[in-house]
Amino acid sequence: GENVEQHPSTLSVQEGDSAVIKCTYSDSASNYFPWYKQELGKGPQLIIDIRSNVGEKKDQRIAVTLNKTAKHFSLHITETQPEDSAVYFCAASKHTGTASKLTFGTGTRLQVTL
Amino acid sequence: DTAVSQTPKYLVTQMGNDKSIKCEQNLGHDTMYWYKQDSKKFLKIMFSYNNKELIINETVPNRFSPKSPDKAHLNLHINSLELGDSAVYFCASSQRDSKLFFGSGTQLSVL
Repeated sequence: GENVEQHPSTLSVQEGDSAVIKCTYSDSASNYFPWYKQELGKGPQLIIDIRSNVGEKKDQRIAVTLNKTAKHFSLHITETQPEDSAVYFCAASKHTGTASKLTFGTGTRLQVTL
Repeated sequence: DTAVSQTPKYLVTQMGNDKSIKCEQNLGHDTMYWYKQDSKKFLKIMFSYNNKELIINETVPNRFSPKSPDKAHLNLHINSLELGDSAVYFCASSQRDSKLFFGSGTQLSVL
């Protein structure tokens, strides 16, 4: 089955700096790679996703890059703000059209300090 | 107004008891899921239903039984609760585009 590794497990940055979280996956058939943000006491919330036919996607301060050959993808957050502090999860799946069996990474706790 | 809602938010119970968690989504999605998040925050899929039909059934003890009375509801019943069942259980739903929408979770504590 799919295996997703995520690094680092914790990340502390100063407000305004950039943050990068990296993930690798094992199944070359995986074709969908979402990123979720989980705030304390809440469920994971989708913040950005990328499909295997695209190398990069950007949404305001958030961007994701995908390297299919190396089987890794990364989340980039620029101009970090205190409200970006949360646990971030990467995931990978093979989109089947009916259900998405997401395999999650182990999470990165991002702390943005003033 | 909530898209995916699950109840209860907190569940504290004794070992050996039977309990249920309910989930409802008002997004009109065809697919619903149960995920388990352990104390180390690791998220793992348990079950998935598409239009009331079970399509994903991971290696979960048969003490866990999901039930989907209609495509907007997916409940989780747990028999003979064990200490190791303590975790946060998340319901989620999606449409064909794979984007999962999660509920706010049910924190289960087995004493």
